[in-house]
Amino acid sequence: GNSVTQMEGPVTLSEEAFLTINCTYTATGYPSLFWYVQYPGEGLQLLLKATKADDKGSNKGFEATYRKETTSFHLEKGSVQVSDSAVYFCALGARGQNFVFGPGTRLSVLP
Amino acid sequence: NAGVMQNPRHLVRRRGQEARLRCSPMKGHSHVYWYRQLPEEGLKFMVYLQKENIIDESGMPKERFSAEFPKEGPSILRIQQVVRGDSAAYFCASSPGGRDQPQHFGDGTRLSIL
Repeated sequence: GNSVTQMEGPVTLSEEAFLTINCTYTATGYPSLFWYVQYPGEGLQLLLKATKADDKGSNKGFEATYRKETTSFHLEKGSVQVSDSAVYFCALGARGQNFVFGPGTRLSVLP
Repeated sequence: NAGVMQNPRHLVRRRGQEARLRCSPMKGHSHVYWYRQLPEEGLKFMVYLQKENIIDESGMPKERFSAEFPKEGPSILRIQQVVRGDSAAYFCASSPGGRDQPQHFGDGTRLSIL
């Protein structure tokens, strides 16, 4: 079945550092890929998405490119802020199959 | 607020009682999903419903758990005879179409079993 693997956390960075959170997937067919963010006590918020190979999703300074050749969808941000501290989930959706979430990566950004 | 609405936000039950969790999807969304999240863990799929139909309940325990999404009103996740292991955050999500589309989440119901 489909699966998503994310880098283990927690990730601790200083403000303005560069962020990469790795995500790789296994799927049949042509899934859509997503990054979600969860702040304490809240639900998941859609951060960005990509629906086909070579698509780049971007939002709030975050970017991720759908790489079919490496089955990856790594999340990047050039300069993180304290307010970016949260748990980030990579997810995969495919027609006729259930959404699959990675285990989440906790990010802490220190001032 | 046109987002996914879940209530209650917090629910406390004693062992053996029933828990009923409600979810109103985003306006225009007819697909509802329920997930369970344990502390420091990811989300586990439980059930996928469209209006009046259960499409996929492969992630739901066979006993004590049930879900519905009636023609009128919110989706309900019902847990009968709760046990300590049912303590978790339960999230509802909705989408306008099939499972390859983005899902929009509510803020969850945190269920605590005494």
